[in-house]
Amino acid sequence: QKEVEQDPGPLSVPEGAIVSLNCTYSNSAFQYFMWYRQYSRKGPELLMYTYSSGNKEDGRFTAQVDKSSKYISLFIRDSQPSDSATYLCAMSNQGAQKLVFGQGTRLTINP
Amino acid sequence: DTAVSQTPKYLVTQMGNDKSIKCEQNLGHDTMYWYKQDSKKFLKIMFSYNNKELIINETVPNRFSPKSPDKAHLNLHINSLELGDSAVYFCASSQEVGLPTDTQYFGPGTRLTVL
Repeated sequence: QKEVEQDPGPLSVPEGAIVSLNCTYSNSAFQYFMWYRQYSRKGPELLMYTYSSGNKEDGRFTAQVDKSSKYISLFIRDSQPSDSATYLCAMSNQGAQKLVFGQGTRLTINP
Repeated sequence: DTAVSQTPKYLVTQMGNDKSIKCEQNLGHDTMYWYKQDSKKFLKIMFSYNNKELIINETVPNRFSPKSPDKAHLNLHINSLELGDSAVYFCASSQEVGLPTDTQYFGPGTRLTVL
């Protein structure tokens, strides 16, 4: 079993829909949770970062962490075609020197 | 102005050859990384360097050898290339090592195809 599991999709939704992307993990020591967005043929870029449990909102994006269930989510409201990309979750524990990435979910927003 | 750059962008080569990928960052960061992203999009760390010193070496075959001539550059040399080495290799940098809160900035990737 991989440390971080993420459904690779593909996920296709109409413009304006609310998108929910999720990851589960097995390492209870993880405390830092990130979401990266990767456009086709580009490198990943950090979208959001959350520490421990709770929610964090940034514009149309909301990140949620439920440490009791070892489950994290990224919600995208009012999705736009420009949101079409692969979304990778990543996580780390205190003092760790590396990020552990999920497989990435490929998302397409249809106009 | 490119923050993390890699050359070449595409690399097609025969099995058994030796090749190098170069990476440069102009962000003034102390830490640089090499990642491998396979065909299923799994992104896995290979190496990280902090101020030219090797910090992370993740069970990578000896055929892979990173070299950091200065803290702005981290090159990856691969000997005796194998079919399984085909992947996209990403270089990244961050200000410090060991801080999960420190944003990693990725380069555009080098798509390596071994025939």
